Amino acid sequence: GDSVTQMEGPVTLSEEAFLTINCTYTATGYPSLFWYVQYPGEGLQLLLKATKADDKGSNKGFEATYRKETTSFHLEKGSVQVSDSAVYFCALGSGAGSYQLTFGKGTKLSVIP
Amino acid sequence: DAGVTQSPTHLIKTRGQQVTLRCSPKSGHDTVSWYQQALGQGPQFIFQYYEEEERQRGNFPDRFSGHQFPNYSSELNVNALLLGDSALYLCASSLGLQGALTYEQYFGPGTRLTVT
Repeated sequence: GDSVTQMEGPVTLSEEAFLTINCTYTATGYPSLFWYVQYPGEGLQLLLKATKADDKGSNKGFEATYRKETTSFHLEKGSVQVSDSAVYFCALGSGAGSYQLTFGKGTKLSVIP
Repeated sequence: DAGVTQSPTHLIKTRGQQVTLRCSPKSGHDTVSWYQQALGQGPQFIFQYYEEEERQRGNFPDRFSGHQFPNYSSELNVNALLLGDSALYLCASSLGLQGALTYEQYFGPGTRLTVT
């Protein structure tokens, strides 16, 4: 079945540091890939998405590139801020008649001043 | 533009009891999905409702049931509660078949259910 594997957290970075959160997936066919962010006490917000191989999703300084050859969708940001502290979830929608999103376990990011 | 709303925010129940959670989709959306997020885990898909029918179901027992009303709002019912049902329950809405196929889902803030 479909699955998403994220790097284990928590991740603690200093402000302005470079961020990478690794995400790999297993799916049949050609899934759509997503990064969601969850701030404390809130629901999930879509951060960015990519729907086909080599697509780059970007939003608020975050980027991720859909790599079919390595089945990966790593999240990156060049300079993190304290306000980026949250839990980040990688997810996939496998298509092929499936309407559900399959999520990874999440990676908690803490950014310290 | 009203986003996805859920009620109640928090709920405490006892093992064996039944619970009903409610969701109003984003304005203009007609499809509702429910997810269970256990502490420290990613959300797990429970089911999706469209046109008042369950369109797809995840790997959850029959104790979990749902309903969608003509105004597109939805309820999640859980019977015979177990301690393991303690979780954040998230509702997500989307628009029609196009929204479903592109997974454009908008999430609510969730209902925190604690079973004691």
